[in-house]
Amino acid sequence: AQTVTQSQPEMSVQEAETVTLSCTYDTSESDYYLFWYKQPPSRQMILVIRQEAYKQQNATENRFSVNFQKAAKSFSLKISDSQLGDAAMYFCAYRPYGNKLVFGAGTILRVKS
Amino acid sequence: DSGVTQTPKHLITATGQRVTLRCSPRSGDLSVYWYQQSLDQGLQFLIQYYNGEERAKGNILERFSAQQFPDLHSELNLSSLELGDSALYFCASSSSRDTRTTEAFFGQGTRLTVV
Repeated sequence: AQTVTQSQPEMSVQEAETVTLSCTYDTSESDYYLFWYKQPPSRQMILVIRQEAYKQQNATENRFSVNFQKAAKSFSLKISDSQLGDAAMYFCAYRPYGNKLVFGAGTILRVKS
Repeated sequence: DSGVTQTPKHLITATGQRVTLRCSPRSGDLSVYWYQQSLDQGLQFLIQYYNGEERAKGNILERFSAQQFPDLHSELNLSSLELGDSALYFCASSSSRDTRTTEAFFGQGTRLTVV
């Protein structure tokens, strides 16, 4: 079965500092997409960043970047220059050919001022 | 605003009752997905429709059913409700049948509380 594991239930970061959220997944497929979604207190699911498995280059979106290690099945999210608005639940998700998104359990990120 | 509209935002009902959750996808999106987010189960995929037809099924209970109408809006019907059905129900939509290549846009969810 395809699974996504986020081993950090909760993380804290000081404002303006950098934090890395971990994610590992299990799959036998070679072609798939990986995503990080942010869920603030409003409960809206917001796409932060996505990575195509066939691309070796790590995706970057402004202050957000990923470290994609395909062989290790690892997909971590790095948030640079953390801001108070980054405080949220972050979900790692994997999309196999079956189309459905498989989510990890989530990591609560707290940002301290 | 993702463009996906879910109604109602909140719903409180008693055990044994039946409710219908509604989702209007983004304009032009053919695929609709339903997810359940509960405290102990995380985000679980329930079902996907593509252009009116069921495309994929997840861990959806037999008491639950869904459909997608010709105008592409979708409804999730939950019957014989139990306390454990209390959760946030998300609808998401995307434009392509093979949504590996496109992102899914989520609605704001319907918070269902069964008392």
